[in-house]
Amino acid sequence: DIQMTQSPSSVSASIGDRVTITCRTSQGISSWLAWYQQKPGKAPNLLIYTASSLQSGVPSRFSGSGSGTHFTLTISSLQPEDFATYFCQQTNSLPLTFGGGTKVEIK
Amino acid sequence: QVQLQESGPGLVKPSETLSLTCIVSGGSIISRYWSWIRQPPGKGLEWIGSIYDDGSTNYNPSLESRVTLSVDTSKNQLSLKLKSVTAADTAMYYCARDDLESGWNFDLWGRGTLVTVSS
Repeated sequence: DIQMTQSPSSVSASIGDRVTITCRTSQGISSWLAWYQQKPGKAPNLLIYTASSLQSGVPSRFSGSGSGTHFTLTISSLQPEDFATYFCQQTNSLPLTFGGGTKVEIK
Repeated sequence: QVQLQESGPGLVKPSETLSLTCIVSGGSIISRYWSWIRQPPGKGLEWIGSIYDDGSTNYNPSLESRVTLSVDTSKNQLSLKLKSVTAADTAMYYCARDDLESGWNFDLWGRGTLVTVSS
């Protein structure tokens, strides 16, 4: 199985801040990575696929980058509705696996 | 617009079988892959397995010996059975639509159903 390591596990930030979350994989996956946002009590929501492609309807302040084993999700200017937990997922091979999550909290 | 709705008993006794269904409304179940994913309270996500409309399946090896996925295209319905449950199977269970055109993502999720394993 491909192991996924997200960092940090939590981050405190203010409205308007730039926030970057990192995801590392135990083996190279090219660009086969997705990012999800999950708000409390809700199902995850797909933000980014193939490492950097924005899912339809997702605000442009979200961006993804990386390839191989190192990936990042960046929120360029944090908005109140962005306080949530973010998960990465490798979409390269079965079994599909997720990172442990990064909780973005209000500073 | 397509919606997914999971349902099933919220409480299951240890050693028994957990059975859930997922109704797909507003669209067809045909020609798509569908997955089940679970999330223990306060923890991360675990992919359980996926199924195609012809009944072909892929399972997470960690659960393969205990899980069975099935599909009923006439009812637009997915089903999950997990046998010999323990407290470690307590989780929110989601069904999701797989998007294989750009990797293997999940582009649509149900709201989830919480299952607690306890005597």
